[in-house]
Amino acid sequence: GAGVSQSPSNKVTEKGKDVELRCDPISGHTALYWYRQSLGQGLEFLIYFQGNSAPDKSGLPSDRFSAERTGGSVSTLTIQRTQQEDSAVYLCASSFDYNSPLHFGNGTRLTVT
Amino acid sequence: EDQVTQSPEALRLQEGESSSLNCSYTVSGLRGLFWYRQDPGKGPEFLFTLYSAGEEKEKERLKATLTKKESFLHITAPKPEDSATYLCAVSNRGSTLGRLYFGRGTQLTVWP
Repeated sequence: GAGVSQSPSNKVTEKGKDVELRCDPISGHTALYWYRQSLGQGLEFLIYFQGNSAPDKSGLPSDRFSAERTGGSVSTLTIQRTQQEDSAVYLCASSFDYNSPLHFGNGTRLTVT
Repeated sequence: EDQVTQSPEALRLQEGESSSLNCSYTVSGLRGLFWYRQDPGKGPEFLFTLYSAGEEKEKERLKATLTKKESFLHITAPKPEDSATYLCAVSNRGSTLGRLYFGRGTQLTVWP
């Protein structure tokens, strides 16, 4: 079946601009996660959704980062006033419920110039 | 603080040469330990979940084991298609299973 879909696959933006990254989870998966993978770093947790609510936002690095999920499905990660240190691959993952392993998408590679 | 350390950072094996990757972890109550495989330009692909010391799981040429302080991913008679970065991650009892702390990975290259 279809896996986790992320768009765009690549995004180049100028410093100071806002960007939106989209994630379509696997159909029927109630839990959705965002992670960030920076060059030479491990994957870093950003935020977790169960349904449309976000019980764990502890990984968001600053108030420039926000995310929402609508209809218990699609999620959008928004980065305002992008900085060069935001350059990374942003990965979305979903799972059947909060107690199941994650299935990742292929990520959005964000480059801030 | 929950931490995961993987070694070696990189490993080159000849086809058929078996070896093991190590994942050492520190966690305030292990909920689960995970192994993922990541190919260049792709997202991590789930391999195994281990929940308690002594547990073992196998899939084709891969076997994962778990102790109270570390996990090993044993690769038996590897093939070039096993080349990838292997990621280890842990989840602690205070969080949802998918709130993971990842190591930096072991980049495996298998040459013919």
